[in-house]
Amino acid sequence: EAGVVQSPRYKIIEKKQPVAFWCNPISGHNTLYWYLQNLGQGPELLIRYENEEAVDDSQLPKDRFSAERLKGVDSTLKIQPAELGDSAVYLCASSPSSPTSGGTQYTQYFGPGTRLTVL
Amino acid sequence: QKEVEQDPGPLSVPEGAIVSLNCTYSNSAFQYFMWYRQYSRKGPELLMYTYSSGNKEDGRFTAQVDKSSKYISLFIRDSQPSDSATYLCAMTWYSSASKIIFGSGTRLSIRP
Repeated sequence: EAGVVQSPRYKIIEKKQPVAFWCNPISGHNTLYWYLQNLGQGPELLIRYENEEAVDDSQLPKDRFSAERLKGVDSTLKIQPAELGDSAVYLCASSPSSPTSGGTQYTQYFGPGTRLTVL
Repeated sequence: QKEVEQDPGPLSVPEGAIVSLNCTYSNSAFQYFMWYRQYSRKGPELLMYTYSSGNKEDGRFTAQVDKSSKYISLFIRDSQPSDSATYLCAMTWYSSASKIIFGSGTRLSIRP
């Protein structure tokens, strides 16, 4: 079974430029999450999708961040314009809607992340 | 005060040692406790999960939860160099599929 796929793995941009990250969740997983992870910190939730609906975006800085999950599968997270403080790893995760072996419907499977550097 | 506190380390031990990793938390509503392992340049992967208080063993790993003290632990027996990683504790309300609160992670290094 393929895991969560994210691209690009690394991105370097100058401040004020736009940037976009893409995520393909595990097949059949209805719930998709975007997290931000700063160096030496745990992941912090930005937004959660149930199928194509954003059900928790309370931590998403909506002035510059946006996300979409068209057709309830792939998702894109965008930052425009990027600021120096946005440098971090952006993680995507997905979880199933029913229990699976080795976990429950609350088990989140993470992708490798996109490491963003804003200069 | 953070909801979940975790000593960032780094923690360095010789191969074969028993490792103890710990987290404290403040929200008594947490019911579901997890440990994630994160290798460098990788995403976190679920290592173990437990419901409420008690112990759970999986091979060389044992997770303990003491809800009365709001304290959780992960023990690694016969530690191996391949166990070198950052270990993140995480917890949530059992009824919520969304809001997982992560600790800041403890960086562990096993010396051959």
